[in-house]
Amino acid sequence: QSVLTQPPSASGTPGQRVTISCSGSSSNIGSNTVNWYQQLPGTAPKLLIYSNNQRPSGVPDRFSGSKSGTSASLAISGLQSEDEADYYCAAWDDSLNGRYVVFGGGTKLTVL
Amino acid sequence: QVQLVQSGAEVKKPGASVKVSCKASGYTFTSYYMHWVRQAPGQGLEWMGIINPSGGSTSYAQKFQGRVTMTRDTSTSTVYMELSSLRSEDTAVYYCARDCSSGWYAIFDIWGQGTMVTVSS
Repeated sequence: QSVLTQPPSASGTPGQRVTISCSGSSSNIGSNTVNWYQQLPGTAPKLLIYSNNQRPSGVPDRFSGSKSGTSASLAISGLQSEDEADYYCAAWDDSLNGRYVVFGGGTKLTVL
Repeated sequence: QVQLVQSGAEVKKPGASVKVSCKASGYTFTSYYMHWVRQAPGQGLEWMGIINPSGGSTSYAQKFQGRVTMTRDTSTSTVYMELSSLRSEDTAVYYCARDCSSGWYAIFDIWGQGTMVTVSS
């Protein structure tokens, strides 16, 4: 059971826009920034979005992130076949027991 | 170029320990915190802890406290993650990941290639 909640799957056709949600609480998303990672099959994760809505150099502007309250979202516009991957959200969690990084359970994106 | 190169796959028996290395190159090793993240087969990402390569201070996920030790060797720009009392549930790919925000925002911009650890009798 992951601390951050993501839908296990999402899908879309080429050219469509899809969004992936990430729900947390006041101790994580509500008080810290959110980062998103893309993991292609058989590879290490790659930083996709950081600090809620910032794109690292080299990440296409088709990818965008947002945050509101205790939830965050990743949007992918102009969906392409190479976007088929697993997507994870992550944030610090400030609990009574200390400070930990928590991940969402991951969303498998299928391009139909 | 900036990269993290991890040690090779390991097969261990239950109860044993494993030590995975992560060698950094292409940047100032002591300027960036390092995290360890694992991924069991077919499962999601799980954070294990963080080490400051400069002073060596560490912080571990509660789940692993008492079983995990993260260390660093500044002379070789290498961080290590040792996990003891291994059980079958520890079978996973273990990743090191550089934090480009110096620990403040847990932004993992560079990842190692991963090390598969298999625990089996």
